Amino acid sequence: AQSVTQPDIHITVSEGASLELRCNYSYGATPYLFWYVQSPGQGLQLLLKYFSGDTLVQGIKGFEAEFKRSQSSFNLRKPSVHWSDAAEYFCAVGASNFGNEKLTFGTGTRLTIIP
Amino acid sequence: NAGVTQTPKFRVLKTGQSMTLLCAQDMNHEYMYWYRQDPGMGLRLIHYSVGEGTTAKGEVPDGYNVSRLKKQNFLLGLESAAPSQTSVYFCASSYTQGRLQETQYFGPGTRLLVL
Repeated sequence: AQSVTQPDIHITVSEGASLELRCNYSYGATPYLFWYVQSPGQGLQLLLKYFSGDTLVQGIKGFEAEFKRSQSSFNLRKPSVHWSDAAEYFCAVGASNFGNEKLTFGTGTRLTIIP
Repeated sequence: NAGVTQTPKFRVLKTGQSMTLLCAQDMNHEYMYWYRQDPGMGLRLIHYSVGEGTTAKGEVPDGYNVSRLKKQNFLLGLESAAPSQTSVYFCASSYTQGRLQETQYFGPGTRLLVL
């Protein structure tokens, strides 16, 4: 069974600073990896996803993530955060075998932006 | 397109009462999911459906039932609510083609309080 670990429960970053949110996964085969963002009181919105190919994927709102198979990681990055990036971020892993299209989510990282 | 909608947005129940949460999607998606979100635990899959008339158990199915009588609707039922079912419930849908795990689109959530 797949699993996801987001080791940072809460991160505080100054506006304009760079950001990296960590995600480690466990899955026996090539995983499908996702980052979702949840603004307060809202549902989840997809930021980016990795299925195959280039290990550096670009997403919306200036986010990117890099898949590192050797480290079982899929960390999310942004070079310069904006106050509107304050939200909760979830990493998720999906199985690649047909008939098992469930996603397993991490526990989330809450991002606070300070002026 | 409205995307994924959920009814109601908020509900208070007494222990032992029953209720049904409605999820509707207008994207012609085959797959639909019900999650619950609890503090510090991320999203956990309750039940899901891979098509009209089919349902399957997720990670935390006990105490819940689901039905998918129409492709666009996915109902989550609580037959006898318990305080442990106090949570925020999210519905999601996706169009999965072949072996690809497609993006899940989330509804805005239903906040349920069981007293």
